[in-house]
Amino acid sequence: GESVGLHLPTLSVQEGDNSIINCAYSNSASDYFIWYKQESGKGPQFIIDIRSNMDKRQGQRVTVLLNKTVKHLSLQIAATQPGDSAVYFCAENIKHGQNFVFGPGTRLSVLP
Amino acid sequence: DGGITQSPKYLFRKEGQNVTLSCEQNLNHDAMYWYRQDPGQGLRLIYYSQIVNDFQKGDIAEGYSVSREKKESFPLTVTSAQKNPTAFYLCASSIFGDLGSPLHFGNGTRLTVT
Repeated sequence: GESVGLHLPTLSVQEGDNSIINCAYSNSASDYFIWYKQESGKGPQFIIDIRSNMDKRQGQRVTVLLNKTVKHLSLQIAATQPGDSAVYFCAENIKHGQNFVFGPGTRLSVLP
Repeated sequence: DGGITQSPKYLFRKEGQNVTLSCEQNLNHDAMYWYRQDPGQGLRLIYYSQIVNDFQKGDIAEGYSVSREKKESFPLTVTSAQKNPTAFYLCASSIFGDLGSPLHFGNGTRLTVT
């Protein structure tokens, strides 16, 4: 996609609070979604995924919500910790496809 | 531990030189990918390979070349034809044939061309 600029949206939260990171996806035919966490200088790490036949999936301290009506995905992190500071981005995949479309990401900053 | 190894972590080259980035995986994954990451942008697909000796162009293949002679290895060559080669390059792999499976990424190679 086209560049949305050099500066990522930033979410600042207090340590211990819950974080909600949002993602608008582009294709109504997408049926598989992933959230990744990327720390500075490292590759993206898989956090959690969800398929289009679900609207919610929970992991350890994380929950992903999928709203297909408005093509919206969110990642909720409970009791945010300093180690959660990173860039988070979503990825969508169309059925039988082998190419993901990635969002530009949101930077999460955890305040002490 | 299974994983994806990219080397080197940092690479510096003069303009006009070709450079090859290494990617090795021991996850026994069939599919491998190369992405480019630029500040403020989503990852963009350069090339991918679903099986040995076969690969396809991604969205931004111009100025790049790949080979897939072994299941474990998928090196990327950035040629002098690539107009803006300075970027963070990420290699990934996934299980082929699954109806959607996550990509597993390496820790990237930061290429600087001056």
